[in-house]
Amino acid sequence: DAGVTQSPTHLIKTRGQQVTLRCSPKSGHDTVSWYQQALGQGPQFIFQYYEEEERQRGNFPDRFSGHQFPNYSSELNVNALLLGDSALYLCASSLGGTSFNEQFFGPGTRLTVL
Amino acid sequence: AQSVSQHNHHVILSEAASLELGCNYSYGGTVNLFWYVQYPGQHLQLLLKYFSGDPLVKGIKGFEAEFIKSKFSFNLRKPSVQWSDTAEYFCAVTLSGGYNKLIFGAGTRLAVHP
Repeated sequence: DAGVTQSPTHLIKTRGQQVTLRCSPKSGHDTVSWYQQALGQGPQFIFQYYEEEERQRGNFPDRFSGHQFPNYSSELNVNALLLGDSALYLCASSLGGTSFNEQFFGPGTRLTVL
Repeated sequence: AQSVSQHNHHVILSEAASLELGCNYSYGGTVNLFWYVQYPGQHLQLLLKYFSGDPLVKGIKGFEAEFIKSKFSFNLRKPSVQWSDTAEYFCAVTLSGGYNKLIFGAGTRLAVHP
Protein backbone atom coordinates (compact mmCIF):
# COMPACT_ATOMS: atom_id res chain seq x y z
CA ASP A 1 0.00 0.00 0.00
CA ALA A 2 1.76 3.10 -1.25
CA GLY A 3 1.81 6.05 1.06
CA VAL A 4 1.70 9.69 0.04
CA THR A 5 4.15 10.43 -2.75
CA GLN A 6 5.44 13.79 -3.92
CA SER A 7 7.44 14.97 -6.89
CA PRO A 8 9.95 16.28 -7.47
CA THR A 9 12.14 15.73 -4.43
CA HIS A 10 14.16 18.87 -4.92
CA LEU A 11 13.71 21.92 -7.10
CA ILE A 12 15.76 25.04 -7.71
CA LYS A 13 14.13 28.11 -9.24
CA THR A 14 14.94 31.78 -9.59
CA ARG A 15 12.91 34.73 -8.39
CA GLY A 16 9.89 35.52 -10.54
CA GLN A 17 9.57 32.01 -11.94
CA GLN A 18 6.62 29.69 -11.49
CA VAL A 19 6.68 26.20 -10.01
CA THR A 20 4.32 23.21 -9.89
CA LEU A 21 4.58 20.54 -7.22
CA ARG A 22 2.72 17.25 -7.36
CA CYS A 23 1.19 14.92 -4.83
CA SER A 24 -0.44 11.50 -4.97
CA PRO A 25 -2.46 10.66 -1.87
CA LYS A 26 -2.41 7.44 0.07
CA SER A 27 -4.58 4.80 -1.54
CA GLY A 28 -8.24 5.30 -0.61
CA HIS A 29 -7.82 8.90 0.56
CA ASP A 30 -9.89 11.67 -0.96
CA THR A 31 -8.64 14.80 0.79
CA VAL A 32 -5.31 16.51 0.18
CA SER A 33 -3.76 19.30 2.22
CA TRP A 34 -0.62 21.29 1.50
CA TYR A 35 1.77 22.73 4.08
CA GLN A 36 4.84 24.94 3.88
CA GLN A 37 7.68 24.23 6.30
CA ALA A 38 10.32 26.94 6.44
CA LEU A 39 13.67 26.12 7.99
CA GLY A 40 13.45 25.82 11.76
CA GLN A 41 9.68 26.17 11.84
CA GLY A 42 6.67 23.92 11.99
CA PRO A 43 4.54 23.26 8.92
CA GLN A 44 2.05 25.98 8.03
CA PHE A 45 -1.25 25.13 6.35
CA ILE A 46 -1.63 26.45 2.81
CA PHE A 47 -4.94 24.92 1.66
CA GLN A 48 -7.00 21.77 1.47
CA TYR A 49 -8.73 20.13 -1.49
CA TYR A 50 -11.73 17.86 -1.42
CA GLU A 51 -13.87 16.79 -4.38
CA GLU A 52 -11.68 18.91 -6.66
CA GLU A 53 -12.55 22.09 -4.75
CA GLU A 54 -10.47 24.22 -2.42
CA ARG A 55 -12.25 23.76 0.88
CA GLN A 56 -10.14 25.74 3.29
CA ARG A 57 -7.23 28.13 2.92
CA GLY A 58 -4.53 29.38 5.24
CA ASN A 59 -2.90 32.79 5.29
CA PHE A 60 -1.11 32.58 1.96
CA PRO A 61 -1.32 35.00 -0.98
CA ASP A 62 -3.09 34.26 -4.23
CA ARG A 63 0.28 33.43 -5.79
CA PHE A 64 -0.30 30.04 -4.21
CA SER A 65 -2.93 28.03 -6.03
CA GLY A 66 -3.80 24.42 -6.38
CA HIS A 67 -5.79 21.80 -8.12
CA GLN A 68 -7.18 18.39 -7.36
CA PHE A 69 -7.82 15.87 -10.09
CA PRO A 70 -10.59 13.24 -10.31
CA ASN A 71 -8.13 10.58 -9.12
CA TYR A 72 -7.57 12.73 -5.96
CA SER A 73 -4.00 13.64 -6.84
CA SER A 74 -3.14 17.28 -6.42
CA GLU A 75 -0.87 20.05 -7.61
CA LEU A 76 0.44 23.11 -5.84
CA ASN A 77 1.37 26.06 -8.05
CA VAL A 78 3.35 29.06 -6.92
CA ASN A 79 3.68 32.06 -9.23
CA ALA A 80 6.14 34.95 -9.12
CA LEU A 81 8.48 33.15 -6.76
CA LEU A 82 10.11 35.10 -3.95
CA LEU A 83 13.22 34.22 -1.97
CA GLY A 84 10.95 33.69 1.02
CA ASP A 85 9.14 30.87 -0.74
CA SER A 86 12.18 28.66 -0.19
CA ALA A 87 10.90 25.87 2.03
CA LEU A 88 9.91 22.24 2.28
CA TYR A 89 6.43 21.76 0.84
CA LEU A 90 4.51 18.91 2.41
CA CYS A 91 1.46 17.16 1.09
CA ALA A 92 -0.84 15.29 3.45
CA SER A 93 -3.81 13.10 2.66
CA SER A 94 -6.75 11.80 4.64
CA LEU A 95 -10.03 10.00 4.15
CA GLY A 96 -12.46 12.81 4.71
CA GLY A 97 -11.43 16.09 6.19
CA THR A 98 -13.06 16.37 9.58
CA SER A 99 -10.96 17.42 12.54
CA PHE A 100 -10.76 13.76 13.64
CA ASN A 101 -9.36 12.40 10.39
CA GLU A 102 -5.68 11.54 10.63
CA GLN A 103 -3.45 13.04 7.99
CA PHE A 104 -0.61 11.08 6.43
CA PHE A 105 2.33 13.08 5.17
CA GLY A 106 4.53 12.67 2.16
CA PRO A 107 8.31 13.18 2.14
CA GLY A 108 8.02 16.71 0.83
CA THR A 109 9.50 18.75 -2.01
CA ARG A 110 12.43 20.98 -1.11
CA LEU A 111 12.11 24.23 -3.08
CA THR A 112 15.04 26.61 -3.25
CA VAL A 113 14.51 30.04 -4.79
CA LEU A 114 17.67 31.89 -5.84
CA ALA B 1 -5.63 33.54 16.02
CA GLN B 2 -5.06 30.03 17.22
CA SER B 3 -1.48 29.06 17.92
CA VAL B 4 0.66 26.30 19.37
CA SER B 5 3.78 26.91 21.46
CA GLN B 6 6.55 24.43 22.10
CA HIS B 7 8.81 25.65 24.85
CA ASN B 8 11.98 23.74 24.09
CA HIS B 9 13.56 24.16 20.68
CA HIS B 10 16.50 21.87 21.33
CA VAL B 11 16.81 19.11 23.92
CA ILE B 12 19.86 16.94 24.49
CA LEU B 13 19.58 13.82 26.62
CA SER B 14 21.57 10.72 27.41
CA GLU B 15 20.06 7.31 26.80
CA ALA B 16 17.76 6.12 29.59
CA ALA B 17 16.98 9.68 30.68
CA SER B 18 13.37 10.71 31.00
CA LEU B 19 11.81 13.06 28.48
CA GLU B 20 9.13 15.68 28.75
CA LEU B 21 8.40 18.10 25.92
CA GLY B 22 6.07 20.98 26.57
CA CYS B 23 3.19 22.06 24.34
CA ASN B 24 0.60 24.76 24.92
CA TYR B 25 -2.14 25.97 22.63
CA SER B 26 -4.23 29.09 22.51
CA TYR B 27 -7.86 28.55 21.59
CA GLY B 28 -10.98 28.97 23.64
CA GLY B 29 -12.92 26.13 22.09
CA THR B 30 -12.52 22.37 21.86
CA VAL B 31 -9.45 21.05 20.13
CA ASN B 32 -8.04 17.75 19.01
CA LEU B 33 -4.37 17.31 19.90
CA PHE B 34 -1.56 15.53 18.11
CA TRP B 35 2.12 14.82 18.41
CA TYR B 36 4.00 14.12 15.19
CA VAL B 37 7.59 12.94 14.88
CA GLN B 38 10.05 13.37 12.06
CA TYR B 39 13.04 11.03 12.19
CA PRO B 40 16.13 12.08 10.22
CA GLY B 41 15.50 11.63 6.53
CA GLN B 42 11.94 10.45 7.03
CA HIS B 43 8.53 12.03 6.67
CA LEU B 44 6.26 13.27 9.44
CA GLN B 45 4.40 10.50 11.19
CA LEU B 46 1.79 10.44 13.92
CA LEU B 47 3.03 9.57 17.39
CA LEU B 48 -0.25 9.91 19.29
CA LYS B 49 -3.50 11.83 19.36
CA TYR B 50 -6.17 12.96 21.79
CA PHE B 51 -9.79 13.60 20.93
CA SER B 52 -11.71 13.02 24.14
CA GLY B 53 -11.94 10.77 27.18
CA ASP B 54 -8.97 9.73 29.30
CA PRO B 55 -6.59 12.71 29.21
CA LEU B 56 -3.58 10.39 29.39
CA VAL B 57 -2.99 8.90 25.96
CA LYS B 58 -0.45 6.34 24.94
CA GLY B 59 1.19 6.29 21.54
CA ILE B 60 3.74 4.28 19.68
CA LYS B 61 7.26 3.50 20.88
CA GLY B 62 6.47 4.03 24.56
CA PHE B 63 5.44 7.67 24.26
CA GLU B 64 2.53 9.14 26.17
CA ALA B 65 0.97 12.57 26.53
CA GLU B 66 -1.31 14.19 29.06
CA PHE B 67 -3.98 16.72 28.20
CA ILE B 68 -4.51 19.29 30.96
CA LYS B 69 -7.46 21.40 29.84
CA SER B 70 -7.06 24.04 32.55
CA LYS B 71 -3.50 24.68 31.40
CA PHE B 72 -4.18 24.35 27.65
CA SER B 73 -1.30 21.90 27.63
CA PHE B 74 -0.51 18.57 25.98
CA ASN B 75 2.97 17.55 27.11
CA LEU B 76 4.77 14.57 25.62
CA ARG B 77 6.60 12.14 27.88
CA LYS B 78 8.74 9.05 27.72
CA PRO B 79 10.24 7.43 30.84
CA SER B 80 13.46 6.26 29.20
CA VAL B 81 14.69 7.53 25.84
CA GLN B 82 16.77 5.61 23.35
CA TRP B 83 19.25 6.78 20.74
CA SER B 84 16.63 5.92 18.10
CA ASP B 85 14.34 8.60 19.54
CA THR B 86 16.58 11.27 18.05
CA ALA B 87 14.17 13.26 15.90
CA GLU B 88 12.14 16.43 15.65
CA TYR B 89 8.84 16.44 17.50
CA PHE B 90 5.87 18.61 16.57
CA CYS B 91 2.79 19.34 18.60
CA ALA B 92 -0.34 20.20 16.59
CA VAL B 93 -4.04 20.87 17.01
CA THR B 94 -7.17 20.81 14.91
CA LEU B 95 -10.28 22.73 15.90
CA SER B 96 -13.03 20.32 16.85
CA GLY B 97 -16.04 20.58 14.56
CA GLY B 98 -13.97 22.02 11.74
CA TYR B 99 -11.82 20.50 9.06
CA ASN B 100 -8.55 18.73 9.78
CA LYS B 101 -6.33 21.76 9.18
CA LEU B 102 -3.36 21.14 11.47
CA ILE B 103 -1.88 24.06 13.39
CA PHE B 104 1.69 23.15 14.31
CA GLY B 105 4.15 24.34 16.88
CA ALA B 106 7.68 25.23 15.84
CA GLY B 107 9.00 21.82 16.83
CA THR B 108 11.53 20.48 19.32
CA ARG B 109 14.71 18.89 18.08
CA LEU B 110 15.73 16.03 20.36
CA ALA B 111 19.22 14.55 20.32
CA VAL B 112 19.83 11.42 22.39
CA HIS B 113 23.44 10.48 23.05
CA PRO B 114 24.44 6.87 23.72
